[in-house]
Amino acid sequence: DVKVTQSSRYLVKRTGEKVFLECVQDMDHENMFWYRQDPGLGLRLIYFSYDVKMKEKGDIPEGYSVSREKKERFSLILESASTNQTSMYLCASSLGTRWTEAFFGQGTRLTVV
Amino acid sequence: AQRVTQPEKLLSVFKGAPVELKCNYSYSGSPELFWYVQYSRQRLQLLLRHISRESIKGFTADLNKGETSFHLKKPFAQEEDSAMYYCALLNRDDKIIFGKGTRLHILP
Repeated sequence: DVKVTQSSRYLVKRTGEKVFLECVQDMDHENMFWYRQDPGLGLRLIYFSYDVKMKEKGDIPEGYSVSREKKERFSLILESASTNQTSMYLCASSLGTRWTEAFFGQGTRLTVV
Repeated sequence: AQRVTQPEKLLSVFKGAPVELKCNYSYSGSPELFWYVQYSRQRLQLLLRHISRESIKGFTADLNKGETSFHLKKPFAQEEDSAMYYCALLNRDDKIIFGKGTRLHILP
């Protein structure tokens, strides 16, 4: 079974705090993704990584950064959390082949107060 | 522009009635299209991909390149089909682009 594990299910942080969301996959997948999921807006891609130390901006990268020092781990960083970053964050991984499916973590619901 | 459009936010269907969840895409080239599903309190997971041409849980989806559509269909809805459904496109850069999703609610 492919496992994509996000470090926290729920997080509450204060405005201005630096926040780290961690994601680990155990299937040696090349690609890893961070999305935020909001009602009515679907899944929006924040950042994408296709290899260690490689990253690409998605559709909504502002206010976020990422780190991929090891193939299995992809971290999302909120440099200075704001209330409009309250959301469900989903991590996913996939093989870099055609027709490959993405495997998702269970999600982290972040509330910024 | 690469885009996936799901025009319905919510679709309510009676049990036993046919279901059609609409998806339209915008993409230059041959699209790789998928449907993902998220049941209550479960993680998002793949339902089907168009290359497979198979029926999963009674659902099928046909790619219509002329209409740039990939609608999801099931002839007889079941209560366990209630979930959030996302249409997705995998582009040539390996990025997965999702639609905004349709919540399917099966009425008893």
